[in-house]
Amino acid sequence: EADIYQTPRYLVIGTGKKITLECSQTMGHDKMYWYQQDPGMELHLIHYSYGVNSTEKGDLSSESTVSRIRTEHFPLTLESARPSHTSQYLCASSEDRVRGYTFGSGTRLTVV
Amino acid sequence: AQTVTQSQPEMSVQEAETVTLSCTYDTSESDYYLFWYKQPPSRQMILVIRQEAYKQQNATENRFSVNFQKAAKSFSLKISDSQLGDAAMYFCAFFGNEKLTFGTGTRLTIIP
Repeated sequence: EADIYQTPRYLVIGTGKKITLECSQTMGHDKMYWYQQDPGMELHLIHYSYGVNSTEKGDLSSESTVSRIRTEHFPLTLESARPSHTSQYLCASSEDRVRGYTFGSGTRLTVV
Repeated sequence: AQTVTQSQPEMSVQEAETVTLSCTYDTSESDYYLFWYKQPPSRQMILVIRQEAYKQQNATENRFSVNFQKAAKSFSLKISDSQLGDAAMYFCAFFGNEKLTFGTGTRLTIIP
């Protein structure tokens, strides 16, 4: 079944560690997005990609980086995690605006 | 730039009753799509209903329907016969050129 997968679902990690949040989709969508969701549940776009080797920063400044080497894979990396990075991270993909976005289940990151 | 406003941070409704969630948006575009997404607690964001701006007829999906007023830039969601499973955060979203712009969300509580 076509879907979008995020791993891990929950992650607790110490300050200063490097982490990668995985996002993969099996739908062949060109467009992929990363959102940070704050405790008030508001969604902030932090990165997006319109295809392989294309990445752009979103509306909210983030210390994370992304890569898009394969269409189906859009990982997000934090080189040195800090408590301020504690948040929920949602990955999404899109075929076109008619269908909107398909979301992954999210990764809830806690940095201690 | 587009903006999406959800003026009701929280709403509650008695089970089996009807509730309407409000959404307004601002754009200079004439061709766009509007969406309502639902995010249950600790679960995946899913699409509830979509509306094409060029269609005057309001979209309906089972118990969910919208009231789309293009001139007023209003896009409200009506949930009929509310069920306990409808409890969630609801996000209104606007899709213009390449990205979805989300509102800040409305938390819906269902009272048994």
